[in-house]
Amino acid sequence: DGGITQSPKYLFRKEGQNVTLSCEQNLNHDAMYWYRQDPGQGLRLIYYSQIVNDFQKGDIAEGYSVSREKKESFPLTVTSAQKNPTAFYLCASSRTSGTYNNEQFFGPGTRLTVL
Amino acid sequence: AQSVTQLDSHVSVSEGTPVLLRCNYSSSYSPSLFWYVQHPNKGLQLLLKYTSAATLVKGINGFEAEFKKSETSFHLTKPSAHMSDAAEYFCVVSHLGLDGNKLVFGAGTILRVKS
Repeated sequence: DGGITQSPKYLFRKEGQNVTLSCEQNLNHDAMYWYRQDPGQGLRLIYYSQIVNDFQKGDIAEGYSVSREKKESFPLTVTSAQKNPTAFYLCASSRTSGTYNNEQFFGPGTRLTVL
Repeated sequence: AQSVTQLDSHVSVSEGTPVLLRCNYSSSYSPSLFWYVQHPNKGLQLLLKYTSAATLVKGINGFEAEFKKSETSFHLTKPSAHMSDAAEYFCVVSHLGLDGNKLVFGAGTILRVKS
């Protein structure tokens, strides 16, 4: 059963801590993406990766970091430098990022709350 | 630059009545357009996409959308609402640049279905 998995579903963090959100896909997609969702703002792109060992900053990359060591995995680290990290985080993938009509497939999301 | 405006943040309909969710886009070239649906605390699911073929696009669950270039619109419709349609809907335009394909999201429209 192909798809995208994200873990954990809920995550709580104390201020000053780094946390890592997991994203795995078995769709054999080349491109992967991380979005942040806040109420009334749609989705905003944090980072994306078109190929293994390469990634680019999106619109709101400050305070976040990523790695892409394997095609199927694209973990996101929320660092203590992110001033307002409480949000719903969504991971997505697509066949390639070089064709403009490729839809993205989304995981179920991780809700991060800073205590 | 590409942008998307969803004209209503909330829409309320009665079960069995038509649904209309409005979307206007701005794009410097012929765009690809998508509608995604999100149920509470879930990921996004693709409803339909337009990629310069037929202007009337049929999607899943009885939804359809019509691409109107002269009006720069891509409104989502359904003839008869069902309780299970209650969710948040996102209109999305695809942006293809030198650094790959990225999606630009509207702010979302929350659909409420009354019994």
